Amino acid sequence: QQQVKQSPQSLIVQKGGIPIINCAYENTAFDYFPWYQQFPGKGPALLIAIRPDVSEKKEGRFTISFNKSAKQFSLHIMDSQPGDSATYFCAASKLGQGAQKLVFGQGTRLTINP
Amino acid sequence: KAGVTQTPRYLIKTRGQQVTLSCSPISGHRSVSWYQQTPGQGLQFLFEYFSETQRNKGNFPGRFSGRQFSNSRSEMNVSTLELGDSALYLCASNRGSSGNEQFFGPGTRLTVL
Repeated sequence: QQQVKQSPQSLIVQKGGIPIINCAYENTAFDYFPWYQQFPGKGPALLIAIRPDVSEKKEGRFTISFNKSAKQFSLHIMDSQPGDSATYFCAASKLGQGAQKLVFGQGTRLTINP
Repeated sequence: KAGVTQTPRYLIKTRGQQVTLSCSPISGHRSVSWYQQTPGQGLQFLFEYFSETQRNKGNFPGRFSGRQFSNSRSEMNVSTLELGDSALYLCASNRGSSGNEQFFGPGTRLTVL
């Protein structure tokens, strides 16, 4: 019930393409869904996050789509650039209570070819 | 504003030894969480400290422990090291209120030989 399943494990896209990374969760108590970007040698950095009361959120070239009934959410990167090449993690947790326990997906290694 | 800092960045130990890792959160942040990152298991939550108290705990054996000081700095300790403890250990901080935006440090790369 605590799992977050992420796919694909790796993805190669040409510059300008729109990579899509998908995540599915089981625990309906989750109410906070962030995406993190990690470059080699660095810690994960928060990209964008969504709560289940909205179906879509955009920040710059990054968009999260959220489907509460299917318990799925996805990250789209518009006009992808070689600098977007990194590992992306989806995560989920329960707000309130103050607890900061994030459950992460397994990660997607994204490569954007020039 | 300085980010989350972790020391040391790299560490090599042998089986059976113990290790202590340190984390300094962003100024004003009262919550510190620790995660283990490995290629096989991904990112896994270890524990979270808030106001010097452990507030949440993941599914790791008792060999993994931590503490938080009054200035919010945190340490985690791993005793009786095993080969499988080789990993990147990440510390994350946030204000500790209802928002969950966590800021991660660069991690400590622990290698157990």
